[in-house]
Amino acid sequence: KAGVTQTPRYLIKTRGQQVTLSCSPISGHRSVSWYQQTPGQGLQFLFEYFSETQRNKGNFPGRFSGRQFSNSRSEMNVSTLELGDSALYLCASSLGPSGLAGNQEQFFGPGTRLTVL
Amino acid sequence: AQSVTQLDSHVSVSEGTPVLLRCNYSSSYSPSLFWYVQHPNKGLQLLLKYTSAATLVKGINGFEAEFKKSETSFHLTKPSAHMSDAAEYFCVVSGSGGSYIPTFGRGTSLIVHP
Repeated sequence: KAGVTQTPRYLIKTRGQQVTLSCSPISGHRSVSWYQQTPGQGLQFLFEYFSETQRNKGNFPGRFSGRQFSNSRSEMNVSTLELGDSALYLCASSLGPSGLAGNQEQFFGPGTRLTVL
Repeated sequence: AQSVTQLDSHVSVSEGTPVLLRCNYSSSYSPSLFWYVQHPNKGLQLLLKYTSAATLVKGINGFEAEFKKSETSFHLTKPSAHMSDAAEYFCVVSGSGGSYIPTFGRGTSLIVHP
C-alpha cells in the first residue's frame, strides 16, 4: 500500500506570494492533518480534515487555509507569505477522525520544504 | 490545558548501551500519549502509543515506554542502541480535556557513537 505523498517536496517563494501544497493520504484513510515544523517553534498542528470538513484547527492566522476533496486528498494554502512561514509542512493521514486525539496512528508524509525569500 | 516536556534536547550514547529519552506531560484528564521518530529528511514514524490498556507499552524496533500517572511521565527506553537509532524523537500528548489538538514536545536528538 502506498504511503502518504506530498507535492512538491521543495518550494521557494518570495514574500507576499501565495502557495498551495498537496497531500494524498493512504488509500482508505479519510482524515488528513497538517503540521508546521520549524526550528524555533517545533511541530505545531495546523488543522485536520475528515470527510471534506475541517474538524479541528490550531492557532494559526487566517492566511493558512485548507480543504479536502471527496477522494480524501487535501490541499493547504498560505496566502501573503511571510519570511516566518519558511518551514517543513507535514501531512498525516489516519483512518478515522481526530487523528492522535482519537488515539489513532497517524501516518506522515515526507513533507514539503517551503522557503520564503 | 495540556503540555509536554522532553527533558533533554540531546542524548548521546554508545552503540550497545541502553537508551533513555525522558518525557513529562501535563494533562487534566487521561490523555493519549505517543512517541514518534523522525530520521533526517523523512516524515515521522510512530514508535508506540499508550492506550490505557497497559502501563508498559512495547513498540517497534525494541523500544518501549512506561506510563506513570503519579509522575506524569512517559519515558522511552531501549536496552541496546543501534547506529540506526540516531534520529529525532518526539513525545506527543493529545485528547486531554477534550482537546483534539495534539501537542508535540520539542524533540530529543539521539546520537549514537560507534
